[in-house]
Amino acid sequence: GQQVQQSPASLVLQEGENAELQCNFSTSLNSMQWFYQRPGGSLVSLFYNPSGTKHSGRLTSTTVIKERRSSLHISSSQTTDSGTYLCALDQGGRALIFGTGTTVSVSP
Amino acid sequence: DPKIIQKPKYLVAVTGSEKILICEQYLGHNAMYWYRQSAKKPLEFMFSYSYQKLMDNQTASSRFQPQSSKKNHLDLQITALKPDDSATYFCASSQQGGTGNTLYFGEGSRLIVV
Repeated sequence: GQQVQQSPASLVLQEGENAELQCNFSTSLNSMQWFYQRPGGSLVSLFYNPSGTKHSGRLTSTTVIKERRSSLHISSSQTTDSGTYLCALDQGGRALIFGTGTTVSVSP
Repeated sequence: DPKIIQKPKYLVAVTGSEKILICEQYLGHNAMYWYRQSAKKPLEFMFSYSYQKLMDNQTASSRFQPQSSKKNHLDLQITALKPDDSATYFCASSQQGGTGNTLYFGEGSRLIVV
């Protein structure tokens, strides 16, 4: 089965609303990486988070290894946040295993 | 300016033909990768190279062959193309291979096989 599962699959927000994206994994973890994929393709790294909480602007990533989950919180969403958010499992020494992504659409 | 250049951005190929996807990175990184993204599937790892040597290969088909002529180049040759090969192919790089390294992605090469 899928080793990395993301939820929800899609999310529609009104500008200014907050959102919580979830990533659950079923195998061992070295770290979790979060990426943003622009409409049209290119991926941008948001966080490298082995455990605990990290902040970057309006984004917060929390990884809880014991519970095999990582989350990405978007606060005060903006239309420019629209796109797909991908989590990727770093098992250490091997390739990243990506989830299927959460597509976020923020309307004005 | 993009630091990882992929060419071509879009490509339509005929079934049975052969194509090469080009990737060059100007980040000074030592590790390079190829990933594939098909419709409704997760981004899928294909190959990783470190200092121009193959480190990991999770592509079952020998029709996919990476080629590294220089440290900052990792091209992908695909032979005997099939419609199922239609996907966007992403090149990526990191400072070093292995764990703990942030990946930087190119813009992708979108391949359609008819």
